[in-house]
Amino acid sequence: DAGVIQSPRHEVTEMGQEVTLRCKPISGHDYLFWYRQTMMRGLELLIYFNNNVPIDDSGMPEDRFSAKMPNASFSTLKIQPSEPRDSAVYFCASSPYTWGGTDTQYFGPGTRLTVL
Amino acid sequence: AQSVTQLGSHVSVSEGALVLLRCNYSSSVPPYLFWYVQYPNQGLQLLLKYTTGATLVKGINGFEAEFKKSETSFHLTKPSAHMSDAAEYFCAVSEGAGGTSYGKLTFGQGTILTVHP
Repeated sequence: DAGVIQSPRHEVTEMGQEVTLRCKPISGHDYLFWYRQTMMRGLELLIYFNNNVPIDDSGMPEDRFSAKMPNASFSTLKIQPSEPRDSAVYFCASSPYTWGGTDTQYFGPGTRLTVL
Repeated sequence: AQSVTQLGSHVSVSEGALVLLRCNYSSSVPPYLFWYVQYPNQGLQLLLKYTTGATLVKGINGFEAEFKKSETSFHLTKPSAHMSDAAEYFCAVSEGAGGTSYGKLTFGQGTILTVHP
């Protein structure tokens, strides 16, 4: 299995530009998670999906952030407009369904976003 | 709400020495507990997990952790450190079945492990 795939691996953009991060989860996994990692705030859950439906988006910082999962094999996280404080590493993770809820999460390699 | 506290943002040991990384949690329902490891410029990788059953859990690379409900702890240990263990380690908690937001992982702030020759 190829694991969770994220693209791009690195993104440098200027303040005000739109940024789209992409994720392909492991085939057959029912849950997909988006995290953000910064030195100051650590690893934060932004949003997660179950069977392509957003379950909890309480971690999404503000309206500039949006996430979609149009099908079981693809998800996007969009920031519009981007700001320097959005600079971080963004991880996507997926998890299979198990009795009682999700279990092990499998992480992608992350996208390092720099907003100038 | 669930939370995780990792005691010590940096831990330094000599090669061959005992590794002990501390994690305490709070959860209103019986938790699922995890340790993940992150090597530089990589995503997180599961080391081990506790869901139900035996409280001493063995993971990959010789690591193990013990769930102690009375102490709300899930400390990670390895008898003998190796240079390749140098990485950042994250403890995480998930509400199990019965929780209002099960499936959602809450991570600690991470502990950077340095191994000296």
